[in-house]
Amino acid sequence: AQSVTQLGSHVSVSEGALVLLRCNYSSSVPPYLFWYVQYPNQGLQLLLKYTSAATLVKGINGFEAEFKKSETSFHLTKPSAHMRDAAEYFCAVSSGGGFKTIFGAGTRLFVKA
Amino acid sequence: IAGITQAPTSQILAAGRRMTLRCTQDMRHNAMYWYRQDLGLGLRLIHYSNTAGTTGKGEVPDGYSVSRANTDDFPLTLASAVPSQTSVYFCASSGVDGYTFGSGTRLTVV
Repeated sequence: AQSVTQLGSHVSVSEGALVLLRCNYSSSVPPYLFWYVQYPNQGLQLLLKYTSAATLVKGINGFEAEFKKSETSFHLTKPSAHMRDAAEYFCAVSSGGGFKTIFGAGTRLFVKA
Repeated sequence: IAGITQAPTSQILAAGRRMTLRCTQDMRHNAMYWYRQDLGLGLRLIHYSNTAGTTGKGEVPDGYSVSRANTDDFPLTLASAVPSQTSVYFCASSGVDGYTFGSGTRLTVV
């Protein structure tokens, strides 16, 4: 069985500050891990994915995430937040590709001017 | 532009009425899904389809049905809508690069 936990339903940062969104997973098999972003009134868009290659994964819009097997974590970071980064972010885990992916509950990111 | 098309964008529906939410993809993905998104509950899987001709139940299937007559279309039907089905519904398909989502259907059952 697989599961994913996002720590913090809301995160607030100042513009230019570091963004850190936390995600821990549980999986009995080597996982595929994803981060998705949802802007208001839109569907989810893929930010980045981990599929057992490099443990540091770079995505779109300056985001990156690091797979840490020992910590069962896949935290999302961005060095400097922009106002346009304000959105909801979903971590997700799958046992193979995208099929039957399990989504976290989401973390809403607020960016203050 | 390749992706998922959902219709309608929004709908207000009287309780007890039947409603079909439409979903079409043009990426030739085998797997398709319907989710509902509710505040504080994240995305919950309603039904899925591994390939044309097959469907399966997700986490919250009661009150919903789906069909998959071909690769591209995956409609979701509410046979007799109830207020608890008020939600935003997302259709998605998946390939090797992950999920592609539609823009959603906002459904209000009154």
